[in-house]
Order: sequence, then C-alpha cells, then structure tokens
Amino acid sequence: AQSVAQPEDQVNVAEGNPLTVKCTYSVSGNPYLFWYVQYPNRGLQFLLKYITGDNLVKGSYGFEAEFNKSQTSFHLKKPSALVSDSALYFCAVSLNTGGFKTIFGAGTRLFVKA
Amino acid sequence: SQTIHQWPATLVQPVGSPLSLECTVEGTSNPNLYWYRQAAGRGLQLLFYSVGIGQISSEVPQNLSASRPQDRQFILSSKKLLLSDSGFYLCAWRATGQSNYEQYFGPGTRLTVT
Repeated sequence: AQSVAQPEDQVNVAEGNPLTVKCTYSVSGNPYLFWYVQYPNRGLQFLLKYITGDNLVKGSYGFEAEFNKSQTSFHLKKPSALVSDSALYFCAVSLNTGGFKTIFGAGTRLFVKA
Repeated sequence: SQTIHQWPATLVQPVGSPLSLECTVEGTSNPNLYWYRQAAGRGLQLLFYSVGIGQISSEVPQNLSASRPQDRQFILSSKKLLLSDSGFYLCAWRATGQSNYEQYFGPGTRLTVT
C-alpha cells in the first residue's frame, strides 16, 4: 500500500538558520512527489514537485527538496528560514492511476523564531 | 488564469440537517476534481474524486456523497449530518495533461455540526 510518513510533528528553527522537514514514502513504481504548505484557515498551496530528472528540485519561496530513491525520502529544505515560513507543511505522493489520487502525510508544523 | 471557489466559507449546522458544499473552477476545462476533509488542522483525507461529468469515485464509505453536474462544478452533500462530519473541507483541481501533476486547492469550508 502507498503511504507517506512525516516523522516530525513539529520543527523549530531560528530565523536565518537552515531548515529541513523530513518525508519518506512507500509506493510501487515511480513516485510523483510533492510538497504543499498551509497557512492557518487556508487551503493548501503547491510548493514543488519531483516527477523525474534532477534529484534536487527547486520551488516557491526559496524552498527546495531532494529526492533520494535509495532512502525513499523527499526532504524539504531551505538555506535560511524566515519567520513568515512558519506554517503547516505536507508531503504527498501521487499515484499514476485513474484520477491521479494523492496521498498526503500527516503534516509537520514549522515554527521559525525571530 | 485558473481560479477555484468554495462556498460557504463557514457553516454551522445541527445534527440531522442536510448539507451542500459547492466548488467551482474557472479557467480550465475537464479538470480532475477532489474533495478532502481535514480534521484538527492536520492530515487530509480524500473523500471523493472525479475525472469527468457524472463520474464520481468514493474513497471512504460514510455519510457523504458527491456529484459533478457540470465540467467545473463539484458538490459535496449529505442528507443527514453527524457530529463526526465536522471539519475543514477542501476542494482541489488538477489539470489533465502530460505535465500537470500538482493539485490546486480552494480556500476551504469550515463545517461545525452541533
């Protein structure tokens, strides 16, 4: 069965420091991987995706993620965190089947302290 | 550009009352459409998805139903609400095509069943 794990409920980081939000996945076949961000009482916003090609993908707001096939991981990173990055982050994997269903992780809350 | 609308933004309904939440997408044709429920501000549960008019796939058997009467309209309904139906309901769309994999979310409807 396909699944996505975000092992940390919460990540705390000081402004200006690098941040990492972890994600591992289990899927049969080639994965389509995504990161989304959610601000309070809002819908999710797409940040970045890995479909194929370069293992390091860059997305919105300075975020990037690295696809690691051997470790089945897709960690989200940013070299220098901002207070405004504080939000709920979701890792997701899509299935290349009818409807292109997406399975989301439980989410990781990021707190960036000034 | 594409836009997704959901209404109402908030709703308070008594147990046993009916429900109708509406989602519409502008600026695209034949999108895949999705309904999710988010409980307690964390993980997303896929409820229904649709790949075309009148085509609905249900992911979780429960007290809800969905319909797609028009290409860019997706409706979530219930005949009799339960307390457990409370949550944040999100509609999302995905463009069909070779390079379109990410989903775009509406602003959500917060439903409280009393």
